Amino acid sequence: DSGVTQTPKHLITATGQRVTLRCSPRSGDLSVYWYQQSLDQGLQFLIHYYNGEERAKGNILERFSAQQFPDLHSELNLSSLELGDSALYFCASSETSGDTQYFGPGTRLTVL
Amino acid sequence: ELKVEQNPLFLSMQEGKNYTIYCNYSTTSDRLYWYRQDPGKSLESLFVLLSNGAVKQEGRLMASLDTKARLSTLHITAAVHDLSATYFCALGDSNYQLIWGAGTKLIIKP
Repeated sequence: DSGVTQTPKHLITATGQRVTLRCSPRSGDLSVYWYQQSLDQGLQFLIHYYNGEERAKGNILERFSAQQFPDLHSELNLSSLELGDSALYFCASSETSGDTQYFGPGTRLTVL
Repeated sequence: ELKVEQNPLFLSMQEGKNYTIYCNYSTTSDRLYWYRQDPGKSLESLFVLLSNGAVKQEGRLMASLDTKARLSTLHITAAVHDLSATYFCALGDSNYQLIWGAGTKLIIKP
């Protein structure tokens, strides 16, 4: 158990809908990262927050957004969902930027 | 563009044998990570390598880094079935994001 928690574990929804994925980092970790894992794209970095501020963006679609709250938990919002958004979404945290990232159990999103 | 290439992508081996997974990357970085993923599970940190010549070992796994060759290796010694998993290398870039290899699916047969 890495200490990073993610909810929900599974999410099944329809195209065009909007969902929110939640992540609580390990105690004391200020950095939160979001990754998408799919069979065709592999693991891709989406976005990085440090202590509430966005630090870096990767291959994140405009339909996706994220934020990190004052209590350091983070949410990833996915809207206008498409079939291709079906994937595993991982959150990771680290004490500071550049430290080893510890991954949560992931949220499996299925868009029907 | 920063690229990370792993090979092989698939490896089936017998218990007791030794093998090496290779991770090549396209540009300099000061951090190279190895992770393990079991089917349907999360990613588990194995090693972080920070400098040229770094070598780290944990049980039957040993990772090394050659920054001049832009190459990291993950060596498995006397493989056992419990090591069956997918192994990823990842490079830390200047924005602290991880750029991932495609993963090596390792199957160890008894």
